[in-house]
Amino acid sequence: AQSVTQLDSQVPVFEEAPVELRCNYSSSVSVYLFWYVQYPNQGLQLLLKYLSGSTLVKGINGFEAEFNKSQTSFHLRKPSVHISDTAEYFCAVSPRGSQGNLIFGKGTKLSVKP
Amino acid sequence: SAVISQKPSRDICQRGTSLTIQCQVDSQVTMMFWYRQQPGQSLTLIATANQGSEATYESGFVIDKFPISRPNLTFSTLTVSNMSPEDSSIYLCSVESGTGNQPQHFGDGTRLSIL
Repeated sequence: AQSVTQLDSQVPVFEEAPVELRCNYSSSVSVYLFWYVQYPNQGLQLLLKYLSGSTLVKGINGFEAEFNKSQTSFHLRKPSVHISDTAEYFCAVSPRGSQGNLIFGKGTKLSVKP
Repeated sequence: SAVISQKPSRDICQRGTSLTIQCQVDSQVTMMFWYRQQPGQSLTLIATANQGSEATYESGFVIDKFPISRPNLTFSTLTVSNMSPEDSSIYLCSVESGTGNQPQHFGDGTRLSIL
């Protein structure tokens, strides 16, 4: 079975500051990794994904994440955040070769203050 | 990526009634999924809907409570039956086309409140 832990439920940060949202996972098999963002009153939008290859993955809106197999982590980073980045961010994993088996973390609420 | 439309976007319902949520995709997709997001919580998969077969339900979810239809490759419905306040949640439809390394794409969800 797989599980995802997002270590911070809320992260307040000032505009233009860097941010890191942490995600650790547990799995007995190889997994694909994803970050989704949910803006208020909207569904989930895919930010980025790790399937294979380079462990540093770049996504939309200036976000990037690094897959660390030894630490079973997939932390999300942005060097300079904007007010518009205020949203909830979900880390998710899916066992390789499976279909539909997407396991989500509990989410991290990012609040960007002016 | 696929464009997914969900209807209604929100509703307020009386307990004991049922509501059917529709999910329309702008392209043919193999698999469609229904999730529940309870207030302040993460997403939990309710069931997987493939065209031409019965939906597959996750542990804790049953067909009598959440009947699902998948009449074609672009459309699915989820019904929340005999609603109680505990069913107040966001219900989201997602799609995945191709093989297992394709990410799921989500609709905007249906925000359901039960009085």
